[in-house]
Amino acid sequence: RKEVEQDPGPFNVPEGATVAFNCTYSNSASQSFFWYRQDCRKEPKLLMSVYSSGNEDGRFTAQLNRASQYISLLIRDSKLSDSATYLCVVNMRYGGSQGNLIFGKGTKLSVKP
Amino acid sequence: DTGVSQDPRHKITKRGQNVTFRCDPISEHNRLYWYRQTLGQGPEFLTYFQNEAQLEKSRLLSDRFSAERPKGSFSTLEIQRTEQGDSAMYLCASSLGPPNYEQYFGPGTRLTVT
Repeated sequence: RKEVEQDPGPFNVPEGATVAFNCTYSNSASQSFFWYRQDCRKEPKLLMSVYSSGNEDGRFTAQLNRASQYISLLIRDSKLSDSATYLCVVNMRYGGSQGNLIFGKGTKLSVKP
Repeated sequence: DTGVSQDPRHKITKRGQNVTFRCDPISEHNRLYWYRQTLGQGPEFLTYFQNEAQLEKSRLLSDRFSAERPKGSFSTLEIQRTEQGDSAMYLCASSLGPPNYEQYFGPGTRLTVT
């Protein structure tokens, strides 16, 4: 099983649509979870951290299910400017180390007029 | 602009040459990370500094790669005897806390080895 696995997409959706991205991770000891956004040929930018209770930031909602080792990102009312690749990121801890961030390959979203 | 900066932004080199990249983290961040990203993949961890101490290195980091952060501020990543497979985007990130904290990325250095 890959450490962090995402549906690669692409997801092609019309403006205003709701789109959901899913992500699974392999290490049950993982403690921190993030969604990053990456535009073409740019650096990843932090979109939001993911908390156990779930969290929302405007049109974006992130959920974490530790039992299933599953993370999701929901985008409501999609805008053209949401077109990007969305990276699921998990802090993987092994032994006594503080762990490293492991990135999924990303899910590409294209929002069309 | 107080974000992470990297220099150069682009580097084209011939196989076998050595290259060095620089990263300046956000000033109050004492953790600094190097990643490599190839097309269609997410960033892959290379190494991590807490202040000037290099705490972890990925198995991806062969003996041709070395990184330093001599005064706990900026960092350099050197690749010796470059190979075509080294062509990638090299990203630097910094954080205020350990690796489980939010990390902020620089614009990257795109390396092309011909």
